[in-house]
Amino acid sequence: QQQVKQSPQSLIVQKGGISIINCAYENTAFDYFPWYQQFPGKGPALLIAIRPDVSEKKEGRFTISFNKSAKQFSLHIMDSQPGDSATYFCAASKSGGTSYGKLTFGQGTILTVHP
Amino acid sequence: DAGVTQSPTHLIKTRGQHVTLRCSPISGHKSVSWYQQVLGQGPQFIFQYYEKEERGRGNFPDRFSARQFPNYSSELNVNALLLGDSALYLCASSFEGTPNIQYFGAGTRLSVL
Repeated sequence: QQQVKQSPQSLIVQKGGISIINCAYENTAFDYFPWYQQFPGKGPALLIAIRPDVSEKKEGRFTISFNKSAKQFSLHIMDSQPGDSATYFCAASKSGGTSYGKLTFGQGTILTVHP
Repeated sequence: DAGVTQSPTHLIKTRGQHVTLRCSPISGHKSVSWYQQVLGQGPQFIFQYYEKEERGRGNFPDRFSARQFPNYSSELNVNALLLGDSALYLCASSFEGTPNIQYFGAGTRLSVL
């Protein structure tokens, strides 16, 4: 059962542009929504995360927008740079129960930023 | 400070064999999680361990098992390897109070021939 759907699969942006990646979830019990960045040959690196009590969180050039009623959240990368070229994963998890510590990941978005 | 370390980096096995993957968490982290990442997909949760006890389990067959040691390092064991077990195996660690805030290692690339 696919519980987190991510789009687009791939994204090409010019340097200085805005990259937007979207995720939708099904399980309303999810209460933690992180984004990870993964470079080839590396493990995923935690980028930014949000909890459903806020609608937006910003850290530097990275912003998460969260819409609880629509069960959607998105990552915005402002002033995109070639060094941002990587695969981005959204994820979701819920506290407690048998899913303790389980992150459910989206399928990933391959971002390419052209110089 | 050292991050999550995994060994070996790469591994080649044949069908039916057994494999053991190892993970050392970030210093101070007591919880370790294991994920399988098939090429082109997001990581899939296998296990989480805390204080040597299994706290969470994903939808994987009993061929997959794990354990955590008193120093909080962990091993993932896979028996009777199948071709479909070829993947990047990721270990993540977290603080005891925030099991969902996970930091990943670089992974072990397993190829089953």
